[in-house]
Order: sequence, then C-alpha cells, then structure tokens
Amino acid sequence: EPEVTQTPSHQVTQMGQEVILRCVPISNHLYFYWYRQILGQKVEFLVSFYNNEISEKSEIFDDQFSVERPDGSNFTLKIRSTKLEDSAMYFCASSEGVGLYEQYFGPGTRLTVT
Amino acid sequence: GQQVMQIPQYQHVQEGEDFTTYCNSSTTLSNIQWYKQRPGGHPVFLIQLVKSGEVKKQKRLTFQFGEAKKNSSLHITATQTTDVGTYFCAGRFYNQGGKLIFGQGTELSVKP
Repeated sequence: EPEVTQTPSHQVTQMGQEVILRCVPISNHLYFYWYRQILGQKVEFLVSFYNNEISEKSEIFDDQFSVERPDGSNFTLKIRSTKLEDSAMYFCASSEGVGLYEQYFGPGTRLTVT
Repeated sequence: GQQVMQIPQYQHVQEGEDFTTYCNSSTTLSNIQWYKQRPGGHPVFLIQLVKSGEVKKQKRLTFQFGEAKKNSSLHITATQTTDVGTYFCAGRFYNQGGKLIFGQGTELSVKP
C-alpha cells in the first residue's frame, strides 16, 4: 500500500537555526498538508498546498515557516529561525482531492529545539 | 477560530467494557473524520462521515454523525487491548478547503 514518508524521523537543532523537514507524498496525490503535534496535545493544522501554491494556512504558520515542492516528489517545510516552542512532531499528509477525501499521514518528524 | 471539542480526555476501561468518545462543534461541519493514533505513532484514518444522522460500523466500532452535523461519536463495544491509543475526531468546515480541525483526542487505555 502506498504511504507518505518523512525524513528525518528525529531532528535536533539549536534555537535560531534553520531546519528543513522533508516529505514524499503518495505519488498520485495532489493536495499536501503539514500538521504539528506538541507532545501530549492535539494535532494542529499548519498549511495546505495545491498546484504549487499555499491554499490555506493557520495562525501558527507565520513568516518563519515556508513550504516548497522543489521537484515532482518532495514536499518540504522550512522553519527559518527555530524557537523552543517549535519543538513538536510534524506530520505531513496528502490526499487525492479536497473536501471528502481521506488524508494519509506520514510517520512524522520529531523536532527538538534546544 | 473554529474549534472541535472532544471529551473525555482520558478513558480507562477494563477489557470487555464499552468505550465512547464525543466530539462537538459550535458550527455546522461539512464532514468529520476519525483517526486513531497509537502511542508514538501517527494518525491513521478510520472513517469519514458526511451525511446528517449518518451511522457507520466497522466491526466493534460504531460512528455517528449528528442530525445537525455539529456532533459526532465513536463507540467501541467490548474493548480489547488492541484498541489502546488516542482517538481523534477531525472536522472539516464549509468553505475551508481540505484542512482538518482536530479535537483534543481521547486516550483509551484498556486493562486486561
């Protein structure tokens, strides 16, 4: 069964450093998402991406965040200058369409900012 | 902003007992999805409910969507240790595209 993959599984970085989290969505999917989950809390929407553009973004997704689809397979989330409160599990998800389509989640990247 | 509230936060049951988690939104939902997250894992899609009053069953799991499309529930009959995990509802609102608004989740532990 096709699945969303994410790398790295765990990233440790120092405050103020830039990080790039990588995702490979399911190949025929057109919609891509990033969510985050602070330890012990709920999953929070960050951003959705379609046709090489951001479709929607949450209040969390400020100027420090950016997303990119640099080639036909990867989907990346960049955090320009990490803060301690960015420590969380970051999940990438993809879906065939929008609205009534199931979103498939990747295994996540645990980001630890020290 | 739009929110989905979910209760209870934790539920500890004896194996064989039933379990129910509830989700509520103050605004009508376009649809609602349910996910299960095992400890240390990622959300795994269980089901989607779209129609008012819809009821769907998956073996021992029963999912309901309220008539007003503002609330939903997941009921597990005769829990097993394999049911352990956190159950999240995730709602979609009209004109909000694909983004999912997750409830806080209900962490289920099952004592054998």
